[in-house]
Amino acid sequence: DAKTTQPPSMDCAEGRAANLPCNHSTISGNEYVYWYRQIHSQGPQYIIHGLKNNETNEMASLIITEDRKSSTLILPHATLRDTAVYYCIVRRGGKLIFGQGTELSVKP
Amino acid sequence: DAGVIQSPRHEVTEMGQEVTLRCKPISGHNSLFWYRQTMMRGLELLIYFNNNVPIDDSGMPEDRFSAKMPNASFSTLKIQPSEPRDSAVYFCASSLWNWTSGTQYFGPGTRLLVL
Repeated sequence: DAKTTQPPSMDCAEGRAANLPCNHSTISGNEYVYWYRQIHSQGPQYIIHGLKNNETNEMASLIITEDRKSSTLILPHATLRDTAVYYCIVRRGGKLIFGQGTELSVKP
Repeated sequence: DAGVIQSPRHEVTEMGQEVTLRCKPISGHNSLFWYRQTMMRGLELLIYFNNNVPIDDSGMPEDRFSAKMPNASFSTLKIQPSEPRDSAVYFCASSLWNWTSGTQYFGPGTRLLVL
């Protein structure tokens, strides 16, 4: 499974966009990029996923570089409730392998 | 949607006792996953099933751990005998898996403390 690299922590001001980077330089052509988040001790929550094209849903946008070696998750208007650990995962087959993630703190 | 249901939500037991964790996946999903989360090791995949068949159990720590999925709507993770180092949060997740989509939906977890 391809490995991902994320910064351990980031801060963001409430109401501003949060841009969370992820490096996955060893990704293969058929591997999807998934993003999950975990708020406090709850179960991880699915956010978004993509293969090649940029994706957007009601929660976030996912920007994948053309060479697919990195991606950015964008929360357009961060709120205090977006404070969580965000995981970037490369999926092959049925498995998601979670790394350490980025701890995002949204501050007033 | 009820989501993934796990029971119990909290379990406190003594070393050497048998512990059974239960999971009901989302109806219609064909894959089920058991994870363990600790501060030291993060979120680890223990085992997963596809169509009730165990596909990959390489994450199961040792023979004390066993998992079953007797039907599409129920799975158990058993620890016998339990040890203090098994203390963790255990998550169950399910998905409707195919090659283009494998979004997993997680349950609330079972917090296990082995004394």
